[in-house]
Amino acid sequence: DVKVTQSSRYLVKRTGEKVFLECVQDMDHENMFWYRQDPGLGLRLIYFSYDVKMKEKGDIPEGYSVSREKKERFSLILESASTNQTSMYLCASRLGASGNTIYFGEGSWLTVV
Amino acid sequence: AQSVTQPDIHITVSEGASLELRCNYSYGATPYLFWYVQSPGQGLQLLLKYFSGDTLVQGIKGFEAEFKRSQSSFNLRKPSVHWSDAAEYFCAVAPSGGSYIPTFGRGTSLIVHP
Repeated sequence: DVKVTQSSRYLVKRTGEKVFLECVQDMDHENMFWYRQDPGLGLRLIYFSYDVKMKEKGDIPEGYSVSREKKERFSLILESASTNQTSMYLCASRLGASGNTIYFGEGSWLTVV
Repeated sequence: AQSVTQPDIHITVSEGASLELRCNYSYGATPYLFWYVQSPGQGLQLLLKYFSGDTLVQGIKGFEAEFKRSQSSFNLRKPSVHWSDAAEYFCAVAPSGGSYIPTFGRGTSLIVHP
């Protein structure tokens, strides 16, 4: 089975802190995603990575950056956390493009105080 | 760009009753269509997907969905709901080309009464 692991399930950070959300997948997938999930808004794409060192902005990239130095790892970075970034963050991976299944991690709940 | 609408924010059904969750999409060609389920506090799990061919698609956990091109719809159905089906359901549409990045609907929360 595909395993997408988000190392931190619950985080509480202070406004202005730099926050790292880590995601690792174990199936050699080329594509990886970071989504943000908020009640009533569904999932919104923050960043997408086609492959190592390749990234593309999604629908809401402002305030976020990403890093993909190794194929299995995709990190989401909040350079200076703000309270409006309090949310559930979902990492996902997919084998190449086309309509292949996207596999999700269990999510990271981030609260910024 | 594609878009997807799930008109129902909440649906309440009794255990054993049938279920239909609605999904409408907007896209210029035939898209790739997906239904995902999210249990409380968990990530999303794929229920089923449609790319082409038979418009009635069978998925896991007894779910099925029907693609209707004329109505731009991809509704999810289950003949008899179990209490364990209570969850959030997301429809997603992806373009049939380019990056194939899916757009997700806002979700429908399913409540199951005993």
